[in-house]
Amino acid sequence: DVQLVESGGGLVKPGGSLRLSCVGSGFLFSSQSLNWVRQPPGKGLEWVSSISTSTSFLYYADSVKGRFTISRDNAKDSLYLQMNSLRPEDTAVYYCSRGWQLGDVENWGQGTLVTVSS
Amino acid sequence: DIVMTQTPLSSPVTLGQPASISCRSSQSLVHSDGNTYLSWLHQRPGQPPRLLIYKISNRFSGVPDRFSGSGAGTDFTLKISRVEAEDVGVYYCMQSAQFPLTFGGGTKVEIK
Repeated sequence: DVQLVESGGGLVKPGGSLRLSCVGSGFLFSSQSLNWVRQPPGKGLEWVSSISTSTSFLYYADSVKGRFTISRDNAKDSLYLQMNSLRPEDTAVYYCSRGWQLGDVENWGQGTLVTVSS
Repeated sequence: DIVMTQTPLSSPVTLGQPASISCRSSQSLVHSDGNTYLSWLHQRPGQPPRLLIYKISNRFSGVPDRFSGSGAGTDFTLKISRVEAEDVGVYYCMQSAQFPLTFGGGTKVEIK
């Protein structure tokens, strides 16, 4: 079975940093494009960032560009999101997802909650 | 950015009856490769989203055949032929024809 497990969420003060991780299993991790999508409490889905198989292509939402960095370690079957200069509006459940093509969202993890508050 | 607009916002349905959700994009979702990258996702309360339909009308693995997608260009529809209790939740359309990926605002399906 395909599994994606996120971790690293928590409570952080405005201006602080967090690093989210997502470990994949049940599929060939290195052959999949990966995404981060977030969902503020009680609201809809918002795409954050995507990364291609070889990391040649990186995409970011304007709202996080310059503050967040997506990366992956195929040897560890892991996807990361380094989040700096966090703002209260970054508060959300962050999901990782995978797909065969860049932008595909075939499978999703359970999510990890990030709360930015003083 | 491509704006995705869903209607209705909420859809009370009777068990066993059909349901339909519309999604309109502000630009054509036809990619240069000839495919149209419109997907539908379903999110039950307290659960992550799951993919139902991709490229307008293709059901993802394990999705029951009571779900069907149709449309072209900028207008798309998700239909549930006979609503079951497990179909409650919020449905989102999503475009992946170009970055940034964008989602519709969601349609909440609930049982009358």
